[in-house]
Amino acid sequence: NAGVTQTPKFQVLKTGQSMTLQCAQDMNHEYMSWYRQDPGMGLRLIHYSVGAGITDQGEVPNGYNVSRSTTEDFPLRLLSAAPSQTSVYFCASSYSARGPVLYGYTFGSGTRLTVV
Amino acid sequence: GIQVEQSPPDLILQEGANSTLRCNFSDSVNNLQWFHQNPWGQLINLFYIPSGTKQNGRLSATTVATERYSLLYISSSQTTDSGVYFCAVSGTENTPLVFGKGTRLSVIA
Repeated sequence: NAGVTQTPKFQVLKTGQSMTLQCAQDMNHEYMSWYRQDPGMGLRLIHYSVGAGITDQGEVPNGYNVSRSTTEDFPLRLLSAAPSQTSVYFCASSYSARGPVLYGYTFGSGTRLTVV
Repeated sequence: GIQVEQSPPDLILQEGANSTLRCNFSDSVNNLQWFHQNPWGQLINLFYIPSGTKQNGRLSATTVATERYSLLYISSSQTTDSGVYFCAVSGTENTPLVFGKGTRLSVIA
């Protein structure tokens, strides 16, 4: 089925460990982004990409890296996990990044990360 | 950056009641979307509505861009409407959406 696929769905990390959250879409969307959701905070943007080879920082980028080598994939890397990174992470994609955004975002099902 | 405020933060309704959720934003926008997050955490796009009015079944939305607000109407609410409703905006082309903190709706049978 077409859409945004995130893996894993759940993850527990120890402080200091690193890991990569995967995000893939098969809709040929140019625009992809990562958000984190914390209680009472809504969704806050971590990083985004307007196309392959192009990434930029969002509101809360510290402690996270991204790359966009293909249109389909946009992985999020935690360099050295901290308890403050305990959150639910969502990946989203949208059709157009170089012109008017004519279509809404499509979200993945989320990754629930706990850092102990 | 652009600020988004949603009200009310929490809303409890009896099944069958109508409701209006509000989204205020601090600057002009070229992209405004409403989302529903169900109790299982899935985020679903409801409307892409930077201006004007749209309707989809029991849901409708109106954005008055010149006055910097958007309204989401839910009519004849059902228990499946429960969850959190988010408004998100961006001010220019190719910039990411900024989300409000949401309105948590609970519909009671």
